Amino acid sequence: DTEVTQTPKHLVMGMTNKKSLKCEQHMGHRAMYWYKQKAKKPPELMFVYSYEKLSINESVPSRFSPECPNSSLLNLHLHALQPEDSALYLCASSQDRGFNQPQHFGDGTRLSIL
Amino acid sequence: QQPVQSPQAVILREGEDAVINCSSSKALYSVHWYRQKHGEAPVFLMILLKGGEQKGHEKISASFNEKKQQSSLYLTASQLSYSGTYFCGTEKDSGNTPLVFGKGTRLSVIA
Repeated sequence: DTEVTQTPKHLVMGMTNKKSLKCEQHMGHRAMYWYKQKAKKPPELMFVYSYEKLSINESVPSRFSPECPNSSLLNLHLHALQPEDSALYLCASSQDRGFNQPQHFGDGTRLSIL
Repeated sequence: QQPVQSPQAVILREGEDAVINCSSSKALYSVHWYRQKHGEAPVFLMILLKGGEQKGHEKISASFNEKKQQSSLYLTASQLSYSGTYFCGTEKDSGNTPLVFGKGTRLSVIA
């Protein structure tokens, strides 16, 4: 069990669908992250949300859009995804955004695009 | 810039030791170590900050050589539970740059 909760655990969607991934943490952490992980590859950072400010990896396409309704939730909206977007999507949080902050990962959402 | 990990994979028998290295061509502020078991989330092991410190808990420890921009993870008297992929993550400054993970080292401990 992890303290970062992600739903759903699995998601299969078509390229024209719109769906959302949810991530929640109740540790009072002030930084939250979305990562994309392909099989046998390291996690790649997509977005960081910290102190009401969003930082974006510029290589992430606009069909992915994060939303932070409150300090404990970070959602990822998906629209018109491509087959190459199939991957494990990991959410993480840390006490703060800084050099000595361990990141706590959720179990991930395994996404398959048909 | 992505740190370089070596070896890519290693197989150990229970009780054997292993060293995993993580190096960068850029000046580093910190090095994080995580372990990810198959089908699970990465789990934080430890962080080392510039200053050449060494940290550890139980039989897993790590060092950070600031001069060489290299960190090493030491696993002693390995157990079956140590199996997984070990990732190092590096930061270039104090929190303003993202954590970049190496490609990982796949460790298999067999009985």
